[in-house]
Amino acid sequence: DIQMTQSPSSLSASVGDRVTITCRASQSISTYLNWYQQKPGKAPSLLIFTASTLQSGVPSRFSGSGSGTDFTLTISSLQLEDFATYYCQQSFSTLTFGGGTKVEIK
Amino acid sequence: QVQLQESGPGLVKPSETLSLTCTVSGGSISSYYWSWIRQPAGKGLEWIGRIYTSGNTNYNPSLKSRVTMSVDTSKNQFSLKLSSVTAADTAVYYCARGGGGFWSGYYRAEYFNHWGQGTLVTVSS
Repeated sequence: DIQMTQSPSSLSASVGDRVTITCRASQSISTYLNWYQQKPGKAPSLLIFTASTLQSGVPSRFSGSGSGTDFTLTISSLQLEDFATYYCQQSFSTLTFGGGTKVEIK
Repeated sequence: QVQLQESGPGLVKPSETLSLTCTVSGGSISSYYWSWIRQPAGKGLEWIGRIYTSGNTNYNPSLKSRVTMSVDTSKNQFSLKLSSVTAADTAVYYCARGGGGFWSGYYRAEYFNHWGQGTLVTVSS
């Protein structure tokens, strides 16, 4: 299986901050990388697919980049509703997810 | 708007079979891939497997020996059976609809843009 490693596992930030989350694959996955947001007690919600394509309805402050093994999710200006846990997911082979990054209020 | 709803027992005894059904509303179940994904409390997500409306399945190799999925297009439902459960199978189970995707050796570029709310299944005697 392809292992997905996210960093950091948690971070504290303030409203308005620029936040960057990274996801590293154990082998090259081209751009077959998706990002999800999950709030407590809720199902994950798709943010970005194929590394950089914004899902319909997702605010433009979210962006994704990367290819091969290294990927980044950026929130350009953190809003109150963005405090959540974020997961990456590779779809190059048997689907696997990263361990998650919890974004907390500073 | 497509909606998914999981249903099934919330408590299963060790060594028995976990059975869940996902009912799809607001759209047809046909011509899509449908997956099950689980999440133990406080932990990350694990993909269990997918089924196409033709009945073709792909399972996570780590669970393959215990997993069976089926689909009933007349009821707009698909189902999961996980046999010989242990406490390690305690989790919130989600059903989800696959988007994107194409076959090239593996089924690549799949993402999940529709999810059920999830159902907690506890394995305990």
